[in-house]
Amino acid sequence: GDSVTQMEGPVTLSEEAFLTINCTYTATGYPSLFWYVQYPGEGLQLLLKATKADDKGSNKGFEATYRKETTSFHLEKGSVQVSDSAVYFCALRGWSNAGGTSYGKLTFGQGTILTVHP
Amino acid sequence: DTGVSQDPRHKITKRGQNVTFRCDPISEHNRLYWYRQTLGQGPEFLTYFQNEAQLEKSRLLSDRFSAERPKGSFSTLEIQRTEQGDSAMYLCASSPPLAGDYNEQFFGPGTRLTVL
Repeated sequence: GDSVTQMEGPVTLSEEAFLTINCTYTATGYPSLFWYVQYPGEGLQLLLKATKADDKGSNKGFEATYRKETTSFHLEKGSVQVSDSAVYFCALRGWSNAGGTSYGKLTFGQGTILTVHP
Repeated sequence: DTGVSQDPRHKITKRGQNVTFRCDPISEHNRLYWYRQTLGQGPEFLTYFQNEAQLEKSRLLSDRFSAERPKGSFSTLEIQRTEQGDSAMYLCASSPPLAGDYNEQFFGPGTRLTVL
């Protein structure tokens, strides 16, 4: 079945440092890929997405490129801020049954805790 | 747009008791999902509704779990004879009717269940 693997965490960085959180996936068909973020005390929010190979998703300075050849969707940011401290989840949406109908369920990685210090 | 709401936000119960959670999706969102998130893990899919029809259930949804969406609006998730292993955050998400290849899922704040 579909699965998502994220790099082991937690990740601790100083403000303005470069961020990479690795994500690889296993899926059949043509999955779409997502990064969700969960700020302390809040619900999951979509950060960015990519729906086909070589697409780059971007939002709030974060970027991730859908690499089908390496089955990866690594999250990057050039200069993190204290306000980026949160838990980041990589997720995929694949095809859910043999009929090819996608009901849109998401398969998540285990999450990576990011802490940014001033 | 008030977002997805869930009630209660926290529930503490004793093993063997039944509990029921409610999810109110964003209005006009016909797609509704339930997920379960245990500590240190990502959310895991439980079940999916399109309008009032339950179209997909995960094998995680044992026979002690039942979900309904009787009028295609709010949904309930009931756990019978709770076990300590049911302790988790239960998340609800909704999305609008499918447009093209993608529609975003909007998540509620979750219901945290603790089984003593």
